Amino acid sequence: KQEVTQIPAALSVPEGENLVLNCSFTDSAIYNLQWFRQDPGKGLTSLLLIQSSQREQTSGRLNASLDKSSGRSTLYIAASQPGDSATYLCAVRSTDKLIFGTGTRLQVFP
Amino acid sequence: NAGVTQTPKFRVLKTGQSMTLLCAQDMNHEYMYWYRQDPGMGLRLIHYSVGEGTTAKGEVPDGYNVSRLKKQNFLLGLESAAPSQTSVYFCASSSGLANTQYFGPGTRLTVL
Repeated sequence: KQEVTQIPAALSVPEGENLVLNCSFTDSAIYNLQWFRQDPGKGLTSLLLIQSSQREQTSGRLNASLDKSSGRSTLYIAASQPGDSATYLCAVRSTDKLIFGTGTRLQVFP
Repeated sequence: NAGVTQTPKFRVLKTGQSMTLLCAQDMNHEYMYWYRQDPGMGLRLIHYSVGEGTTAKGEVPDGYNVSRLKKQNFLLGLESAAPSQTSVYFCASSSGLANTQYFGPGTRLTVL
């Protein structure tokens, strides 16, 4: 059974710092991996999707990498801003379902 | 383009009552999903649909029923609500299984 773990559960950093969020999964037989952002009381917004054949995807200050063989993905946020404060979720597609991690709650303070 | 919308936003039920949550999408997506989100457990898939007239069970389907009579709508029903169904419910849609899922704003349900 696929399990997705995100460490740390919470992170607090000063504005301007570069930071890395981690996601690990137990079964390397995946189709793709997605990173989402969730603001308090809101739905999920897709940030990046990496297909299983890809190693990384970039969007603006965000870069996500995928190492399928080791069951790991990282989300790199460059020059963090207070507006980046949110919960970040990774989700792995195995067969026909997305399996979610429990998220990393990020706070960026001025 | 409204994307994915959910009705209602909040609801309080008494144990044993029934209700239906409505999800609508205007992106002409084939695939639609219902999730529940509970503290410390992440999002879990309840039911999903791969097209109009189809439904399939997800990870936690017990106590829920769904219907997809129209392509743009996906309904989630609770026939006899239980306190264990207190949660935030999210609907999502996608154009394909391997494609990005777009989420609605959620429905916060409390069962007393």
